[in-house]
Amino acid sequence: DTGVSQNPRHKITKRGQNVTFRCDPISEHNRLYWYRQTLGQGPEFLTYFQNEAQLEKSRLLSDRFSAERPKGSFSTLEIQRTEQGDSAMYLCASSPGLGLGETQYFGPGTRLLVL
Amino acid sequence: QKEVEQDPGPLSVPEGAIVSLNCTYSNSAFQYFMWYRQYSRKGPELLMYTYSSGNKEDGRFTAQVDKSSKYISLFIRDSQPSDSATYLCAMFGSTGNQFYFGTGTSLTVIP
Repeated sequence: DTGVSQNPRHKITKRGQNVTFRCDPISEHNRLYWYRQTLGQGPEFLTYFQNEAQLEKSRLLSDRFSAERPKGSFSTLEIQRTEQGDSAMYLCASSPGLGLGETQYFGPGTRLLVL
Repeated sequence: QKEVEQDPGPLSVPEGAIVSLNCTYSNSAFQYFMWYRQYSRKGPELLMYTYSSGNKEDGRFTAQVDKSSKYISLFIRDSQPSDSATYLCAMFGSTGNQFYFGTGTSLTVIP
């Protein structure tokens, strides 16, 4: 399977704990995106990387959230001191990064439940 | 006002029906328009991708974009039970990489 992969697929944690999610984009895709999706809503943009550089961050990405893409390949999204409002599906997407107008290919998502 | 508006449904149709799904948007800078299909508890899957105004057809699916009205549509002909999913419209402009999604329309095709 050469699509976008995400791990874990599900995560249950207690409020106040830290969690980390991983995304492996399609091979040779330079751009990587993180989105959050809550029930009944479309995905909301969180942040985007061009290779290892984080180029854009949404105001939704509070100080408790941090994302990295250290070698320009896989990316991690960490949430510190989780809150119940963080419960959502976290989606990763990638695109080739060759120019404008590229569509994004999504992974299966990581579903987070904060108790 | 949200950037993209989409009727969440739910929409229920008999097998074989023609389905029409729609989104409106407010940002005239949007030039790229997509439709994604999302099955329950899965990531969105790209269905159709169009640039600017016009129609695009792919099998049973037709995407239409009317930039003058800021209105996009997805038509599904001969709908099948396997088409039952949530359909998300998404769009972005020529600058920036942030996609703006609609809330999604839940579709059920009844055998």
